[in-house]
Amino acid sequence: NAGVMQNPRHLVRRRGQEARLRCSPMKGHSHVYWYRQLPEEGLKFMVYLQKENIIDESGMPKERFSAEFPKEGPSILRIQQVVRGDSAAYFCASSQGASNQPQHFGDGTRLSIL
Amino acid sequence: AQRVTQPEKLLSVFKGAPVELKCNYSYSGSPELFWYVQYSRQRLQLLLRHISRESIKGFTADLNKGETSFHLKKPFAQEEDSAMYYCALMVGNEKLTFGTGTRLTIIP
Repeated sequence: NAGVMQNPRHLVRRRGQEARLRCSPMKGHSHVYWYRQLPEEGLKFMVYLQKENIIDESGMPKERFSAEFPKEGPSILRIQQVVRGDSAAYFCASSQGASNQPQHFGDGTRLSIL
Repeated sequence: AQRVTQPEKLLSVFKGAPVELKCNYSYSGSPELFWYVQYSRQRLQLLLRHISRESIKGFTADLNKGETSFHLKKPFAQEEDSAMYYCALMVGNEKLTFGTGTRLTIIP
């Protein structure tokens, strides 16, 4: 079991471009969580998804950010018209979703905006 | 809203000395608390959780509801314990709320 897989590991974009971050959960996990870590800060929750459903997006910025977890394929975190403030490490975690099941994290994607 | 505080950004301890990483939380309900660790060039991984009441790599953590704390302790530090440690709170089996982390350095 390769664990949670995120790609790319590093992504560089210019201001105004789009960034797409991918996350494949661990085998058998149907719940996906995205977190963002700004420099010198802890991980901050963004969104919680199950297959084809957004369960909790209370941590997502109101504009430019969206997330999906389709029936087939990885979960995608999409950032449109990126700005310098979007530079951060974005982490994905997955779990089985049952009570008391821990979240397992990927290596993260480090997004840099030029 | 829930909150997790780790007051120490950096902590240096001599090898063989006791270690205590502080974590305080604020939450009105029954919390579920975790410690995650990130070793150099590795991904964030679960170290222990309070409901398990287990010791992992010599570390233990006791939930103190009166003091709203979940400090991580180890009686004798080892060099391989050097890492970044995050305390986290889970509410409703969903999102984790993380502290800002403590970088632990073990001095040989």
